[in-house]
Amino acid sequence: KAGVTQTPRYLIKTRGQQVTLSCSPISGHRSVSWYQQTPGQGLQFLFEYFSETQRNKGNFPGRFSGRQFSNSRSEMNVSTLELGDSALYLCASSLRSSAGYNEQFFGPGTRLTVL
Amino acid sequence: AQSVTQLGSHVSVSEGALVLLRCNYSSSVPPYLFWYVQYPNQGLQLLLKYTTGATLVKGINGFEAEFKKSETSFHLTKPSAHMSDAAEYFCAVTFSGSARQLTFGSGTQLTVLP
Repeated sequence: KAGVTQTPRYLIKTRGQQVTLSCSPISGHRSVSWYQQTPGQGLQFLFEYFSETQRNKGNFPGRFSGRQFSNSRSEMNVSTLELGDSALYLCASSLRSSAGYNEQFFGPGTRLTVL
Repeated sequence: AQSVTQLGSHVSVSEGALVLLRCNYSSSVPPYLFWYVQYPNQGLQLLLKYTTGATLVKGINGFEAEFKKSETSFHLTKPSAHMSDAAEYFCAVTFSGSARQLTFGSGTQLTVLP
């Protein structure tokens, strides 16, 4: 079974631009979560999508948004990029059943550099 | 609110020596606890997890961890380090009400010396 895929793997943008990152979950997984990883702040939860609806949101400004499609693929968008948005953006998928914990499987990430 | 503290941002051990990576958590409700490993330019791979039941959990690659509620700890150990264990390790916590929102520690970079 194919793992979580993220595209693109690397991206360079300039301040003020916007960017869209894509995540394809493992087949059958319906929950997609996004995390930002930076040297200064570490790994931080951005948001989770399930059944095309945002279910949880971390403490990030409104410039960070996302969506999920009917096939469970998810995109996240960052508008008006700032230098501090340079990070590795990780996507994780899980089954999200009602019983207990479902393991999250992480993709390789998208490395975003803002110049 | 929940939080995770990893003691030691860098740990060096000799090949064949014991690996001990420390993790303490804070959670007002029963936690789910995890250890992830990250190799350069890769995502996170789950090493092991504690949700309920046995407090000593075994994971992949010979790693294990023990959940100690009284000490609010979940330290990661491996009896004998291998060169391939060199990576960054993250402890994470969540709870049943929000199981997909992981709170991570700051990470520990493990170096294995020949």
